[in-house]
Amino acid sequence: EPEVTQTPSHQVTQMGQEVILRCVPISNHLYFYWYRQILGQKVEFLVSFYNNEISEKSEIFDDQFSVERPDGSNFTLKIRSTKLEDSAMYFCASSYAGGNQPQHFGDGTRLSIL
Amino acid sequence: QQPVQSPQAVILREGEDAVINCSSSKALYSVHWYRQKHGEAPVFLMILLKGGEQKGHEKISASFNEKKQQSSLYLTASQLSYSGTYFCGTQQSGGSNYKLTFGKGTLLTVNP
Repeated sequence: EPEVTQTPSHQVTQMGQEVILRCVPISNHLYFYWYRQILGQKVEFLVSFYNNEISEKSEIFDDQFSVERPDGSNFTLKIRSTKLEDSAMYFCASSYAGGNQPQHFGDGTRLSIL
Repeated sequence: QQPVQSPQAVILREGEDAVINCSSSKALYSVHWYRQKHGEAPVFLMILLKGGEQKGHEKISASFNEKKQQSSLYLTASQLSYSGTYFCGTQQSGGSNYKLTFGKGTLLTVNP
């Protein structure tokens, strides 16, 4: 069964540095998402992306964050000037369409900011 | 608006049944159910759309009560593999077609 793949599985970075989290969505999916989950808490929406542009973003997704689909397969989340509170599990998800279509999640990247 | 899940936690013996509820104060377009095991990604279970339909997935089924704006997830004859945290993710009517707003989750533990 096709799946969403994320790399790396764990990223350790010094505070203030930039990180790029990578995702390969399911190949025929058109909608892409980033969510994050702080340890022990609920999953929170960050951003959705469709047709090469952001379709929606949350309050969390401020100027520190950016997303890009640099080629036909990858979908990236860039976090600039990382802060301690950015430490979390970051999940990429994709769906064939919006609304009533399931969003399939990758295994996540655990980001640890030191 | 974050949906409210209840109960927060439930402990079962193998073979017992459980119901997990997900309620919203806003009119919903859809409810998505996921199960997450510790340290893993949320795994999609099923979607309920407004209209009160009921869906099934093995011995796990769900319903959506449009009047109450509540979805219930039914786990029957529970197995050890059902253990995990169950999240509902909701989309509001007239709201975003994209983002899911998740509840805080229900931790289900199935013991032998």
